[in-house]
Amino acid sequence: GAVVSQHPSRVICKSGTSVKIECRSLDFQATTMFWYRQFPKQSLMLMATSNEGSKATYEQGVEKDKFLINHASLTLSTLTVTSAHPEDSSFYICSAGGGSYNEQFFGPGTRLTVL
Amino acid sequence: GNSVTQMEGPVTLSEEAFLTINCTYTATGYPSLFWYVQYPGEGLQLLLKATKADDKGSNKGFEATYRKETTSFHLEKGSVQVSDSAVYFCALKSSNSGYALNFGKGTSLLVTP
Repeated sequence: GAVVSQHPSRVICKSGTSVKIECRSLDFQATTMFWYRQFPKQSLMLMATSNEGSKATYEQGVEKDKFLINHASLTLSTLTVTSAHPEDSSFYICSAGGGSYNEQFFGPGTRLTVL
Repeated sequence: GNSVTQMEGPVTLSEEAFLTINCTYTATGYPSLFWYVQYPGEGLQLLLKATKADDKGSNKGFEATYRKETTSFHLEKGSVQVSDSAVYFCALKSSNSGYALNFGKGTSLLVTP
């Protein structure tokens, strides 16, 4: 299967700062990327879907001005958590679909801790 | 709309026990069905999948059969190992929803020596 990477794997930041998480498809062109949030011992919550070159589609209840998503190329999407607060602490997972694949491939996740 | 229901955990088994994690779904059309596994502190890995009725997905000793008549995709393994301890997610992809997945809530499995 295809490989999706995320960077960083862990980040600790102070309240009020912004954090950028990168998601890369390493060996295929990802026309669609997804961002999920996962709270401890819970399922994945889809935050937004982004198609390369267009604005992301956010799920109900997700603040688009707080969680900025950019999908400027077929191999890179970024999620920026702006003015982070402790309640934004979570595990963020991206996934990608595209190319000849008819399924999503998941990144390893990013653990965000906001102090 | 589409939805996936899987059995509540946690499930605790002794090593070499038989495992079944139930998963049922609601969907229009002909969805593809998936099982993903998440080891502690990691992202999701595809464990197995089936794309049409009566297909059997298998990997690492795990199996699941796509049963359209019962709208089910139960995960089974004949003899679990401690290393199988993880959270297992059942998911479906509708035939007309692009890459979007509907996930179940996940079932935590703990295998003890």
